[in-house]
Amino acid sequence: KAGVTQTPRYLIKTRGQQVTLSCSPISGHRSVSWYQQTPGQGLQFLFEYFSETQRNKGNFPGRFSGRQFSNSRSEMNVSTLELGDSALYLCASSLGGTRHYEQYFGPGTRLTVT
Amino acid sequence: SQELEQSPQSLIVQEGKNLTINCTSSKTLYGLYWYKQKYGEGLIFLMMLQKGGEEKSHEKITAKLDEKKQQSSLHITASQPSHAGIYLCGADTGSGYALNFGKGTSLLVTP
Repeated sequence: KAGVTQTPRYLIKTRGQQVTLSCSPISGHRSVSWYQQTPGQGLQFLFEYFSETQRNKGNFPGRFSGRQFSNSRSEMNVSTLELGDSALYLCASSLGGTRHYEQYFGPGTRLTVT
Repeated sequence: SQELEQSPQSLIVQEGKNLTINCTSSKTLYGLYWYKQKYGEGLIFLMMLQKGGEEKSHEKITAKLDEKKQQSSLHITASQPSHAGIYLCGADTGSGYALNFGKGTSLLVTP
């Protein structure tokens, strides 16, 4: 089976712009979670989607949003970018249900905000 | 304060030596998940522990969850350069569909 894929892998944006990141889960996986990883804060949970519904959201401002499509692919959007949004954004997919926390991660999108 | 504390933060060991990484939670662990990350890349799933006292092994890596389900350890026997990377523990602490992660332990294995 193909793993989790994320596009693009690298992105450079300027402050004030917006960005959309994409995640394609492993075939058959219905849950997609997004995480932000920075050297200072480590890996922090952004949100989780299952069957197109957001079930949980981390402690991030409303500039961070996401959605999931009927084929389980997910996108996250960050509006009005700030320098502090520079990070590695990781998505993870899982089957859900009793195996929800057995998450498989994509390679990440490295976002640099200048 | 951090819910999950990993120690040590970094580790340099000589090839062939054994090492242990610890992960301590301030809350009861409903599940503990160990991952390995190469610098700047995604996380690779290693092992999952759910029952108190559970121990799992894969190749030269053994992970244990203590009886009280608030601490886990990852032990690598006869380390090799291929073991180098960042080891992260992720925990289900009942916060709803989110894994909480420790800040990671950076491992370097020298020849």
